[in-house]
Amino acid sequence: GAVVSQHPSRVICKSGTSVKIECRSLDFQATTMFWYRQFPKQSLMLMATSNEGSKATYEQGVEKDKFLINHASLTLSTLTVTSAHPEDSSFYICSARGGRENEQFFGPGTRLTVL
Amino acid sequence: AQSVTQPDIHITVSEGASLELRCNYSYGATPYLFWYVQSPGQGLQLLLKYFSGDTLVQGIKGFEAEFKRSQSSFNLRKPSVHWSDAAEYFCAVGARGGYNKLIFGAGTRLAVHP
Repeated sequence: GAVVSQHPSRVICKSGTSVKIECRSLDFQATTMFWYRQFPKQSLMLMATSNEGSKATYEQGVEKDKFLINHASLTLSTLTVTSAHPEDSSFYICSARGGRENEQFFGPGTRLTVL
Repeated sequence: AQSVTQPDIHITVSEGASLELRCNYSYGATPYLFWYVQSPGQGLQLLLKYFSGDTLVQGIKGFEAEFKRSQSSFNLRKPSVHWSDAAEYFCAVGARGGYNKLIFGAGTRLAVHP
């Protein structure tokens, strides 16, 4: 149980286009989901916290208009990278909070490459 | 500021040898501490956590960790490493209590020689 999926696992796009990444909790409902960004050989950095039905809370330094987060249901959150540029290339990881202890369960990540 | 430091970027051990991965944290209040493992193509998996109580915590896959407040450390140990333990290991602190905002260390990549 407690499986979180992400789609796509890899995406390559051209500079200036937008990319949507989906995060789904497959066997539990998650009122809260988190989005992280991981640079090569570095730690995961929390980008934002999204609660179902409300606006996401972004961490300091994260551009709200560039990284659009929608948490429309208890099993789905989406991250849209708008007008992507090469510096947005990274590994994006989501997590969903649930279970008896309200634990964070992590998705496998999405590798974004912007050409 | 809250932070987590994992001093070792890479560690290589022989299969069957003991392992200790270091983690130091900076946090003003009582820390909520975690160790996660990341394998290629898979999401981070929780190995163990410390919230309160016994400072020696047991986790999955034979791992344990000891919380030492005086040293601000939460080192991960395993008495005998298996080849399948090769992965990236992350220490984290819950900055807002429990599983709320997690602050991760930079990770330690473990390689296991046969």
